Formats: sequence, structure tokens, C-alpha cells
Amino acid sequence: DAKTTQPPSMDCAEGRAANLPCNHSTISGNEYVYWYRQIHSQGPQYIIHGLKNNETNEMASLIITEDRKSSTLILPHATLRDTAVYYCIVRAHGSSNTGKLIFGQGTTLQVKP
Amino acid sequence: EAQVTQNPRYLITVTGKKLTVTCSQNMNHEYMSWYRQDPGLGLRQIYYSMNVEVTDKGDVPEGYKVSRKEKRNFPLILESPSPNQTSLYFCASSFLDRGGDTQYFGPGTRLTVL
Repeated sequence: DAKTTQPPSMDCAEGRAANLPCNHSTISGNEYVYWYRQIHSQGPQYIIHGLKNNETNEMASLIITEDRKSSTLILPHATLRDTAVYYCIVRAHGSSNTGKLIFGQGTTLQVKP
Repeated sequence: EAQVTQNPRYLITVTGKKLTVTCSQNMNHEYMSWYRQDPGLGLRQIYYSMNVEVTDKGDVPEGYKVSRKEKRNFPLILESPSPNQTSLYFCASSFLDRGGDTQYFGPGTRLTVL
């Protein structure tokens, strides 16, 4: 699975959009970009994933660049409850993978009042 | 409600006293997995299971055992716990090979081995 690079920390004002970047320059054509978050020692929570097109769900939007070497997770209206560590994970689907998620250090997002 | 449950949530024990952490999911997922989380080391996979009676080692399996006799349950067994197994443990489950194999995590079990 491709390695990802994220900034260690970011701040965001409550009510504003939080844009979390992720670099994955060695991503392969069959690898998806996943985002999970972990709120203070709780179990990680799935947010969104995509392959090449931009994706949106009730939690967030995922923007993937055309060359797929980087992506941005967007929380459109951040709240204090969005304060968490956000993990960008790149992995392939298919029966050959072990299902293992490789969590890097992630980005600690602090949403401030 | 779709969920992964773990018990106990907190456990303090002594070296060498066998213990089991249970994990159960109600989503009929084939895949289940155990992770441990330690400061500075992130989450590391201990064992995983692709289906009933199919288990395999992850990255840090030493000192742990698992079993998968039923689809919904995947207990983690520490036969002779040691202080270096003090950690935060998470169980996860998902469908296999779907377009989005989203993994659902349990709330965690904080284990202290004295």
C-alpha cells in the first residue's frame, strides 16, 4: 500500500471549512484513498473514500487531484466535535489484501470556538 | 443499530493471568481484525480473520491468540499477559471485497498489565 504524508496538526475556526491535505505520490492505479478519524482514544471512524472522482457524503467531501498524487478532505462546517486525529490511508481492494489499515501519524485537527 | 462491541472496556490485571477480550459485530461481516494502539507507534494489526475458522497473523501477533468459531465473534486471548501488552485494543469488522470495504471499529479496551 502506498505511503501517505499529512501535516501533523492544523487549527480551524468553528463554523469554517476544514481542509485537510494528504500526499500520496506513489499511489497505484488500483488503490483507493480512505479517510478515517479518531476522536480522543475512541475507535477510528470511517469518513469517506474515493478512487479518482471527487466524493461527497453527509460527513465530508473528498477532492482527489487529477494525477491522484494528493487529496484533500473537506469538512464544510467544522464543529468542536470534529476535533480529532484524521488519517489518510491508501489501499487496494481485492482478495489479496489482508484488510489491514495502515494508520500513519495523521493530522490532529483542533477546532476552536 | 450496526455496531461492534468489545468487553471489557477497561481491565487491570497481573502478569501471567490469562484473559480474554471479547469482540462481537451484528453486521454479518466476514472480516474481523484486532489492533493495538500505543503512543508513538500508532495502530498495529495483531490478528485478522477472513471468515469463520480462517485466521491469520498481523504485524504483532506474539503473545496473542484468536479464534473465529462464529461469524459474529472474534475474541482476543492473552494466555500469559505481560506488562508490554499494556495497550489500547480495538476490534474492527467489514465486508470483504466490496467496492468500499469500510471498516467499523469497536469502542476500545484499555488493558493494563501489572
